[in-house]
Amino acid sequence: AQSVAQPEDQVNVAEGNPLTVKCTYSVSGNPYLFWYVQYPNRGLQFLLKYITGDNLVKGSYGFEAEFNKSQTSFHLKKPSALVSDSALYFCAVRPPGANNLFFGTGTRLTVIP
Amino acid sequence: KAGVTQTPRYLIKTRGQQVTLSCSPISGHRSVSWYQQTPGQGLQFLFEYFSETQRNKGNFPGRFSGRQFSNSRSEMNVSTLELGDSALYLCASSLAGIAGGPDTQYFGPGTRLTVL
Repeated sequence: AQSVAQPEDQVNVAEGNPLTVKCTYSVSGNPYLFWYVQYPNRGLQFLLKYITGDNLVKGSYGFEAEFNKSQTSFHLKKPSALVSDSALYFCAVRPPGANNLFFGTGTRLTVIP
Repeated sequence: KAGVTQTPRYLIKTRGQQVTLSCSPISGHRSVSWYQQTPGQGLQFLFEYFSETQRNKGNFPGRFSGRQFSNSRSEMNVSTLELGDSALYLCASSLAGIAGGPDTQYFGPGTRLTVL
């Protein structure tokens, strides 16, 4: 069975500081992993994905994520947080042979001016 | 290229009624998936359609159904609405010619359904 865990419901970070949003996964086979962001009353916006290859994936808006197979983690990072980064972040995994995504419970990021 | 569009954006219904939500995918995308988002259950997969056929289905009762048209537009229907069906319903489209591939799903803004 596949699952995604986002251990932190809430992450607070000061503007200009680096941010990390954590994600661990459980899936059989090689995973496809995704990060999405959701702003209030909006759908999900795609940030980045890991397919294969380089463990550091770069995405939109300066975000990147590090895939760690041994720790089954896919943490989202950004070197310098902006107030406009405040939103709800979802990690997701695609199970083998299917197109649907399994989502984590989400982490609310608040960037404090 | 236009994104995924969903109509209507907001809907209020009463228990026992039925509702139909519509989704237009990104041009060229043939896979459309539907998700339900609630504060208690989070994001849950409803079903996926590809080339007018349901290719995958989540764990929802038969009151939830969908279909896809030849132009890839999709509709989902919920019959005999319950209070617990109040949610944000999200549609996502992708190329997804092969199930389980790395294609990205792009989401629409959602339809907020409130059941009174």
